[in-house]
Amino acid sequence: QVQLRQWGAGLLTPSETLSLTCGVYGGSFSGYRWGWVRQTPEKGLEWIGEMIDGGYSNYNPSLKSRAAISMDRSKNQFSLSLTSVTAADTAVYYCVRLYTAAFDSWGQGTLVSVSS
Amino acid sequence: SSELTQDPAVSVALGQTVTITCRGDNLRTYFANWYQQRPGQAPVLVIYGQNTRPSGIPDRFSGSRSGNTASLTITGTQAEDEADYYCQSRDTSEKRVFGGGTKLTVL
Repeated sequence: QVQLRQWGAGLLTPSETLSLTCGVYGGSFSGYRWGWVRQTPEKGLEWIGEMIDGGYSNYNPSLKSRAAISMDRSKNQFSLSLTSVTAADTAVYYCVRLYTAAFDSWGQGTLVSVSS
Repeated sequence: SSELTQDPAVSVALGQTVTITCRGDNLRTYFANWYQQRPGQAPVLVIYGQNTRPSGIPDRFSGSRSGNTASLTITGTQAEDEADYYCQSRDTSEKRVFGGGTKLTVL
């Protein structure tokens, strides 16, 4: 049973870059899509983007190219970078695995707060 | 539109059957996936594709689709099923979209 464990800074000031990393344990890294989803009380769950082993990536247009996902296959890890954060980016961020277009595994979540 | 619409809240008596619905134009083409989220926890996939349960999900959970509406049905609802439920699908550009969620209360 694959497990996702994520980490990263939880408090940012406006204009900084959000950086989160997710480790994949107990399962194959290759052949799956890996991505990020965030959640706020106001907007609910929001897909940020995903990447497949091999480099194809797809992002939510609403983030206007601020998001980037990268992979470190040697460590079975993938990361999210979100530039120029504002208070609107305050959310719980989850790393996820996609299987047949469904998010079948989730990290534990990281609360990221953006405040001056 | 790629939006998915869910009723904000639904209630069901213990042991009865409840159906949670999700409406959206893209559901005519793509299946909905369903997630259960208990307070303070990450969502858990309970139904994906046409009507497939991941390992460990009880068989009282089932999914269906008709036209632009996807449904999650819980037969013989248990107290532990009280949670928020979210549908999720995609649009033609492979953008993933979620419904707003339905809070299920078990009476």
